[in-house]
Order: sequence, then C-alpha cells, then structure tokens
Amino acid sequence: GENVEQHPSTLSVQEGDSAVIKCTYSDSASNYFPWYKQELGKGPQLIIDIRSNVGEKKDQRIAVTLNKTAKHFSLHITETQPEDSAVYFCAASIRSNYQLIWGAGTKLIIKP
Amino acid sequence: DADVTQTPRNRITKTGKRIMLECSQTKGHDRMYWYRQDPGLGLRLIYYSFDVKDINKGEISDGYSVSRQAQAKFSLSLESAIPNQTALYFCATSDAGTSTYNEQFFGPGTRLTVL
Repeated sequence: GENVEQHPSTLSVQEGDSAVIKCTYSDSASNYFPWYKQELGKGPQLIIDIRSNVGEKKDQRIAVTLNKTAKHFSLHITETQPEDSAVYFCAASIRSNYQLIWGAGTKLIIKP
Repeated sequence: DADVTQTPRNRITKTGKRIMLECSQTKGHDRMYWYRQDPGLGLRLIYYSFDVKDINKGEISDGYSVSRQAQAKFSLSLESAIPNQTALYFCATSDAGTSTYNEQFFGPGTRLTVL
C-alpha cells in the first residue's frame, strides 16, 4: 500500500543552524504534500504545503522542496530558534480516496 | 475559545467497555476527521466525513465507529475497547473549498488508556 517514510526520527541542531527533514512517498499519483508542526500537548498545525505543479516553496525561514521524479520532498528550516523545537510530520495525498498518508514524525531539538 | 474541541481530554477505561470521544468545531467546515497517533507511527486516519450524510472508512477503521450528528459534531466510538487501542486521538476539520486537499485544523487530542 501507499507509504511515506520520514527521516531522521530525531534531529538535534545548534540554535542558528539549519535543519533538514526528508520524506519519500510511494504513490506516484500523490500531488499534495503538507508539513505539520506539533508542539507538546497540542494537535499538529500546518506550517507549509506544496502541490505537485511547483518544485519549491518558501515562507520566511521555512522552505519545502519537491522532486516528483525521485518521489521525495524535504523541509528546510534556516536560522533555527528555540521555538522551532517540536515534532514535525510530513504527509502525502492519495488521489484515490482523498486521504493523507503521514510520516512517522521527526523530533527537532534546538540546542542553545 | 478553541475552534476544534475534544472531550474528554483524558480517559482511562477497562477492556470491553464502550467509549465515546466527542469532537465539536466552530470553524464552519464541512469536512471532519478522526486520527490516532502512536509513538513512531505518526497519524493514521480512522474515519472521515465530507458532510453530514457522508461517512468513509480510513486506514484503520476496524474496532471503531463514528457518528456525524451535525455539521459541527463528529463522534468516535469504541464499541468494546481493547488495550491496543490505547493511543492519542485527534479530531480535525477542513474546509471543502475549491481544492481536494486543504489545511486540516486539529483539536487538542484525547489521551485514551485501555487497561
């Protein structure tokens, strides 16, 4: 079945450095790829998304890149700050039934 | 007030008991979802509803049922709870809009423990 793999499961970076989280997907028909941030004790919240008709999208310190040929997409966070510490989830759409398949999550730790 | 609310926030129950988790939203969205979250597995879709008369099974619907009582209310039931249903459960909503996929807004979650 459809699958989304996310790496790494834990990422620790120094404050001010960049962080990159990668996801691969299996369904070549997937055309929507959101990224959600989950802070402790809260539900996930959308931070950025990309659709298959573009290769890159930026929003201030956050960017997402998509390589449809290789079926992978990545989240890039620059100039990391303590408030970036959270669990990040990627997801990919399944055209056949309008669902999202989610990655297992990456715990991002920003070291002061 | 929160746009998506879930009750209860925490629940401990015993094997075999019937449990209902409730979700209400004030966002006016037509689409509602129930997910479970387990450590290392991310989010998995249990059921989703695109309007009051539309209910669809998700990836892991066995052992669960749902009821869409109104546009704003979507309940998840465990008919006979078992320990491997211990998890964090999230309700989410999204606008229908002009796109098939839109931002999902999540509630704060319900932590369910089945002993």
